[in-house]
Amino acid sequence: NAGVTQTPKFRVLKTGQSMTLLCAQDMNHEYMYWYRQDPGMGLRLIHYSVGEGTTAKGEVPDGYNVSRLKKQNFLLGLESAAPSQTSVYFCASRASGGYQETQYFGPGTRLLVL
Amino acid sequence: AQSVTQLGSHVSVSEGALVLLRCNYSSSVPPYLFWYVQYPNQGLQLLLKYTSAATLVKGINGFEAEFKKSETSFHLTKPSAHMSDAAEYFCAVSGGGAQKLVFGQGTRLTINP
Repeated sequence: NAGVTQTPKFRVLKTGQSMTLLCAQDMNHEYMYWYRQDPGMGLRLIHYSVGEGTTAKGEVPDGYNVSRLKKQNFLLGLESAAPSQTSVYFCASRASGGYQETQYFGPGTRLLVL
Repeated sequence: AQSVTQLGSHVSVSEGALVLLRCNYSSSVPPYLFWYVQYPNQGLQLLLKYTSAATLVKGINGFEAEFKKSETSFHLTKPSAHMSDAAEYFCAVSGGGAQKLVFGQGTRLTINP
């Protein structure tokens, strides 16, 4: 049981390049989330999904797209990377119970955009 | 709408001293509250959560938090700090569509030998 895994761990991009971050979970969770973490700002929600085939915008969705084609995977795409997207990205998943359900986090992807 | 404020972006204590990390929340509905810990270069790990069963919540690694509705607070404490407690701590409140988490800005805890 690996929990939540993220690929890659670290990436350097040039402005304008594209990339996809992969999140996978093996806990059969319905809900999945993508956050970015920046110094002094906590974690901010980018996009989330409440089930296979569904996605929705979070607090800071601009410049990102997501897909949830399989229940266990949640992909985050950057079509044209900008230096403002330099950040640490975390994926999380949780069961579909009530508000008390715990979100489980992956180890993060550190992205540097030059 | 929910929000969380963590008082103090950086807290420093001596080894063996009391740890107190402050969290105040705002919520229009009965809140569910969480404390997560992040060790360097790692993801977030759940320390404890309040789910209305008891106002004093015990978590892992000797931490506990008390929910005080009248003060809208959920402060995190540990009686005796250990060097291994050095990390960043996040308070979060659950609410809104898809039961999203809203995080505070985090408090970095430093332990002095």
